[in-house]
Amino acid sequence: DVVMTQSPLSLPVTLGQPASISCRSSQSLLYSDGNTYLSWFHQRPGQSPRRLIYQVSNWDSGVPDRFSGSGSATYFTLEISRVEAEDVGVYYCMQGARWPYTFGQGTKLEIK
Amino acid sequence: EAQLVESGGGLVQPGGSLRLSCAASGFTFSSWGWHWVRQAPGKGLVWVSYIHPDGSTRYTDSVTGRLTISRDNARSTLYLQMNSLRVEDTAVYYCVRDFFSSIDYWGQGTLVTVSS
Repeated sequence: DVVMTQSPLSLPVTLGQPASISCRSSQSLLYSDGNTYLSWFHQRPGQSPRRLIYQVSNWDSGVPDRFSGSGSATYFTLEISRVEAEDVGVYYCMQGARWPYTFGQGTKLEIK
Repeated sequence: EAQLVESGGGLVQPGGSLRLSCAASGFTFSSWGWHWVRQAPGKGLVWVSYIHPDGSTRYTDSVTGRLTISRDNARSTLYLQMNSLRVEDTAVYYCVRDFFSSIDYWGQGTLVTVSS
C-alpha cells in the first residue's frame, strides 16, 4: 500500500498568518494517464470531511483562494495564505493513484 | 442538490451483523463508482471498500470476507453488509462518491459500535 505521511501533525497558527502542511507518499502518485491523484480534505469538528483540492492543485467549488496546493510525484503541500477562524480542524491528504486509496494521518490546525 | 444519506448503524455484539445503506439523490447514481470510508472515534480516515459502475468490487485487507459492498441502481442506494463484526470495526462509516480517482461528495456518516 502507498503510505501517506503528513507533517506536522499539530499546527498552531495565529489568525491572519500563513500555514503549510506537507504530505509525502511512499510511491509516485503520477498515474499513467499523466495526472497526479493527490487530494486534500478538511474536517471540522463534528462534521464530515470536505474536499478542498484535487489533482494536486485544482480547487473544488466554493473553496477560498487562500488555499493552494502544489507538488509532484511524492511530495505535496497545502498552503493557507492567511488563516481564518473557520479553518480550524483536521486536514488530510489522500492518494487515488494506486489501490487501495490511502489517507495521511491528519494534521490538526488550531488557532493560537 | 446532491445528497448522500447513510443509515443502518447501531450497537452490535462482536460476531454480529449489520447492513448499512446510503441513499443518493441528485446524482446519476449508476454512472459512478462509490466507496465506504470509515473513521474510528478520534482517529483518521480509512478507506474500506469500492464498487465500480460495472459492479466489480475492492476491499481493504482487514475486511475481506466479512464486509460486502453492493449497489441497487434502480433505488440509487449503496449498501455495506457487515458480518462477523469485530471491536476494531467500530467507526463512523461514510458513503462517498468516486470522482476520477478522488472522492468528492460525503454523506453525514453512520456510527457502528461493536461491543459486548
